[in-house]
Amino acid sequence: SQQGEEDPQALSIQEGENATMNCSYKTSINNLQWYRQNSGRGLVHLILIRSNEREKHSGRLRVTLDTSKKSSSLLITASRAADTASYFCATFGNEKLTFGTGTRLTIIP
Amino acid sequence: EPEVTQTPSHQVTQMGQEVILRCVPISNHLYFYWYRQILGQKVEFLVSFYNNEISEKSEIFDDQFSVERPDGSNFTLKIRSTKLEDSAMYFCASSEDRGRVQPQHFGDGTRLSIL
Repeated sequence: SQQGEEDPQALSIQEGENATMNCSYKTSINNLQWYRQNSGRGLVHLILIRSNEREKHSGRLRVTLDTSKKSSSLLITASRAADTASYFCATFGNEKLTFGTGTRLTIIP
Repeated sequence: EPEVTQTPSHQVTQMGQEVILRCVPISNHLYFYWYRQILGQKVEFLVSFYNNEISEKSEIFDDQFSVERPDGSNFTLKIRSTKLEDSAMYFCASSEDRGRVQPQHFGDGTRLSIL
């Protein structure tokens, strides 16, 4: 798991369905962030959750953080074709982001 | 919305040659970073830079690598003598704070191909 791998590595769902991705990490963190990467493009920041927060929402995104289990999940509701991308969680600590291997999400129209 | 810009988008270089990758961070940001992503692999941290000095670097960032902020807007990564294994996508990022509250904003990257 991230720092780490993400779970699942790949996910294909029908447009309109919800997508859930999970990551876990190993060290203590200041915050955990989720990024999206479209093929051949840079990383787009989606949402940041601080270590003292348990849940955060932004539009169709919902992120949870369980520091006791060192895990986080990203839920995308009512998926759209444009959500097709790779999603990475990244933990911030020691002045840097540590990324996992990501989940490749494909939305089927 | 302000963004991080990187040039060139693609750089092809012969092994052993020097290469400089350029970045213009978001103007009011104070913390700067380089990451790289080898094809099909994780995004890896290279170096962080603040107040004109390196604040953290990874094992990847050896003596062949250097960073510089030559003026008030540019932030560069230099690889002195490139190797085949330096082929990767290099991302520049910047943030307002140390990253504890504000996220890092990434550029679209420079694809570096070493022949």
